Amino acid sequence: LAKTTQPISMDSYEGQEVNITCSHNNIATNDYITWYQQFPSQGPRFIIQGYKTKVTNEVASLFIPADRKSSTLSLPRVSLSDTAVYYCLVGGEDSSYKLIFGSGTRLLVRP
Amino acid sequence: NAGVMQNPRHLVRRRGQEARLRCSPMKGHSHVYWYRQLPEEGLKFMVYLQKENIIDESGMPKERFSAEFPKEGPSILRIQQVVRGDSAAYFCASSPTIGLAGIEETQYFGPGTRLLVL
Repeated sequence: LAKTTQPISMDSYEGQEVNITCSHNNIATNDYITWYQQFPSQGPRFIIQGYKTKVTNEVASLFIPADRKSSTLSLPRVSLSDTAVYYCLVGGEDSSYKLIFGSGTRLLVRP
Repeated sequence: NAGVMQNPRHLVRRRGQEARLRCSPMKGHSHVYWYRQLPEEGLKFMVYLQKENIIDESGMPKERFSAEFPKEGPSILRIQQVVRGDSAAYFCASSPTIGLAGIEETQYFGPGTRLLVL
């Protein structure tokens, strides 16, 4: 699976939009980009997945440029409850079941 | 539909004791994965099991660690003669079919068991 690089931490305030960028320079043609969220003392939870351009769901948006070497998770109007660690993973249908989590990005939302 | 359940949520053991961690997958899920998470790090794959079969244990230490997923009952991760370095959070995930990285919502994670070895 392609190696990913994310900022270690980010700070934000309630109501702001937060964008977390992940670099995956060696992403393969068949790889998808998946983001997970992990709250303290809980297991990771799937947020969003995409292959190219833009994907949006009720929780977040995912922006993927044409070269797919990076992706940006966008959280609109964050609240205190969005404080968590966010992980970017890449892999395809022919990839392993061994999900590879990097160190993730620790997002702290302040009042 | 209950999610993945793990127990105990917290477990304290002294060096040399045994730790047994249990995981009940979501209803209808026959694939189980165990991951370990050290403080400030991401999850690391340990083992992948299907009912009564170990499919891949390449991420599990060769000694002291074992896992099973019997026909009936939860999956068990067993750590014998625990050492302080075993202190970590252990997460179980399940999926209805093989949970590959490129498939949306591929693996559903439980809340984890936090093991502390004194």
